[in-house]
Amino acid sequence: AQSVTQLDSHVSVSEGTPVLLRCNYSSSYSPSLFWYVQHPNKGLQLLLKYTSAATLVKGINGFEAEFKKSETSFHLTKPSAHMSDAAEYFCVVSDRGSNYKLTFGKGTLLTVNP
Amino acid sequence: EPEVTQTPSHQVTQMGQEVILRCVPISNHLYFYWYRQILGQKVEFLVSFYNNEISEKSEIFDDQFSVERPDGSNFTLKIRSTKLEDSAMYFCASIPGGQGMNTEAFFGQGTRLTVV
Repeated sequence: AQSVTQLDSHVSVSEGTPVLLRCNYSSSYSPSLFWYVQHPNKGLQLLLKYTSAATLVKGINGFEAEFKKSETSFHLTKPSAHMSDAAEYFCVVSDRGSNYKLTFGKGTLLTVNP
Repeated sequence: EPEVTQTPSHQVTQMGQEVILRCVPISNHLYFYWYRQILGQKVEFLVSFYNNEISEKSEIFDDQFSVERPDGSNFTLKIRSTKLEDSAMYFCASIPGGQGMNTEAFFGQGTRLTVV
């Protein structure tokens, strides 16, 4: 069975400072990993994905994530937060053992302070 | 750019009524899913659909729920007798699949269902 743990339910940063959102996963197969962002009352937007190619993945809006198999982690980072980054972020795992259904973490609410 | 479309964007219904949520996945995708998100909670898997049949369903997906792909384009979720606790945002998603197995899921904008 696959699972995802987002280690922080809420992260607060100041504008211009780095962002780190932590995610650990569990999978019995080679997983695909994703980060989705959800702004208030909006749908789910894909930020980036890892699907067994390069372990450092670059996404939209300056975000990136590194797949670390030894640590079963897929943390999301951004060098400098912007006010528009304030949103809910979901770490997601899928694998062939689950017929590629997505399993979501509980989400991390990112607050960006001026 | 192709996208998954869902209608309606918001549906209000009385408890006990039937609702049908509609989705048009991206045309050449092979795997289809419904997820739901109760307000303030995480996104939960409901059901996956492949090759014209359900491939997996969660505990949430009980006998009150059903899915259909009636005409090769639409993908519907029906709730036969809605309960207050069915109030949530419902997301449809599709995955290309195929050779090389592209596993990126494309989501619709969601249907907010409010049961009163």
